[in-house]
Amino acid sequence: EAGVAQSPRYKIIEKRQSVAFWCNPISGHATLYWYQQILGQGPKLLIQFQNNGVVDDSQLPKDRFSAERLKGVDSTLKIQPAKLEDSAVYLCASSHKPGINNEQFFGPGTRLTVL
Amino acid sequence: GENVEQHPSTLSVQEGDSAVIKCTYSDSASNYFPWYKQELGKRPQLIIDIRSNVGEKKDQRIAVTLNKTAKHFSLHITETQPEDSAVYFCAAPGDSSYKLIFGSGTRLLVRP
Repeated sequence: EAGVAQSPRYKIIEKRQSVAFWCNPISGHATLYWYQQILGQGPKLLIQFQNNGVVDDSQLPKDRFSAERLKGVDSTLKIQPAKLEDSAVYLCASSHKPGINNEQFFGPGTRLTVL
Repeated sequence: GENVEQHPSTLSVQEGDSAVIKCTYSDSASNYFPWYKQELGKRPQLIIDIRSNVGEKKDQRIAVTLNKTAKHFSLHITETQPEDSAVYFCAAPGDSSYKLIFGSGTRLLVRP
């Protein structure tokens, strides 16, 4: 089966600009996650969707970050405006069933550099 | 609270030796503990996981042990090979049980 797809793979922007990332999960996977991975750290969950509903967005900086999964398949994550500290790899992951004890499959990530 | 501590941050071993990475967690209700391997520039991939109803699980050269009383779990890699060189992340459920909290990672280097 095809894996989790993400685009773009790399993005360089200046601070205060906007950026959007796209994720296409594995077909049939109801649960989708967006993680932020700062260099040298583990992935940190930003938001979790179950179909098109939000399960957890407690660590999403809502003043600048937004995410949607309107049709319960693809998802977009947006940052507006970006700050220097947003430089990181943004990983999308999906799992077949809800609940954390189901394997999460990660995409290749989008490496964001904010100058 | 939600906290997963992982040690060591870096580990260098000679090919053929064993490597052990340890993690501690804070939520006593946690019942699922996966380990992910992330090679340089690549995505994290699940290599092994353990549920709280068992104390140890093995898969060829990889094993994970769980001590629920002490709230820690460990990854053991035996007969290490250069291709084992990567960053390894442990994870445990957060307070809500709907999300995983990842450790800070261990960079393992296996010297040929």
